[in-house]
Amino acid sequence: AQSVAQPEDQVNVAEGNPLTVKCTYSVSGNPYLFWYVQYPNRGLQFLLKYITGDNLVKGSYGFEAEFNKSQTSFHLKKPSALVSDSALYFCAVRDIRYGGATNKLIFGTGTLLAVQP
Amino acid sequence: NAGVTQTPKFQVLKTGQSMTLQCAQDMNHEYMSWYRQDPGMGLRLIHYSVGAGITDQGEVPNGYNVSRSTTEDFPLRLLSAAPSQTSVYFCASATVEASKNIQYFGAGTRLSVL
Repeated sequence: AQSVAQPEDQVNVAEGNPLTVKCTYSVSGNPYLFWYVQYPNRGLQFLLKYITGDNLVKGSYGFEAEFNKSQTSFHLKKPSALVSDSALYFCAVRDIRYGGATNKLIFGTGTLLAVQP
Repeated sequence: NAGVTQTPKFQVLKTGQSMTLQCAQDMNHEYMSWYRQDPGMGLRLIHYSVGAGITDQGEVPNGYNVSRSTTEDFPLRLLSAAPSQTSVYFCASATVEASKNIQYFGAGTRLSVL
């Protein structure tokens, strides 16, 4: 079965420090992987995606993610955290069960990032 | 550039009432979907559509109906509301082009069923 796991409910980091939000996946075949961010009382916003190519993917707001096929991971990273990065982060994988050019996503349970000043 | 617009933002219902959550997008996207977000469970797919006149069930479709008469609109109907349907509902749209595969979300509808 396809799935996405975000093992940490919350990550705390001091402003200016590097941050990592973890994600592991389980899919058959090559994964399409995504990170979305949700600010309070808002919908989800796309951050970045991996489909093929470079294992290090750069996205919005200075975030990047590293695809590691052997560890089936797609961790989100940022070299220097900002207080404004505090939000709920979701990892997602494209659901291939339905075939074709589908946009159906399976989401993780989310990780709350809290950046302290 | 409105993107994906959801109405209402908040709604309180009594058990057994029906209502329709509205979703409209102005990006000419073929694909639209409805998710519900519950604490500790992430987002779960309720229904989706790959074009006007075509809809299908997602992971948690029971108690919900959808229709897609136009490309722009994808309303979600609660037939007889139950407390278990208390949740935040998000509509999303995307192009079906696989290489672009980015979903755009509305701001959500927060629903309470008493």
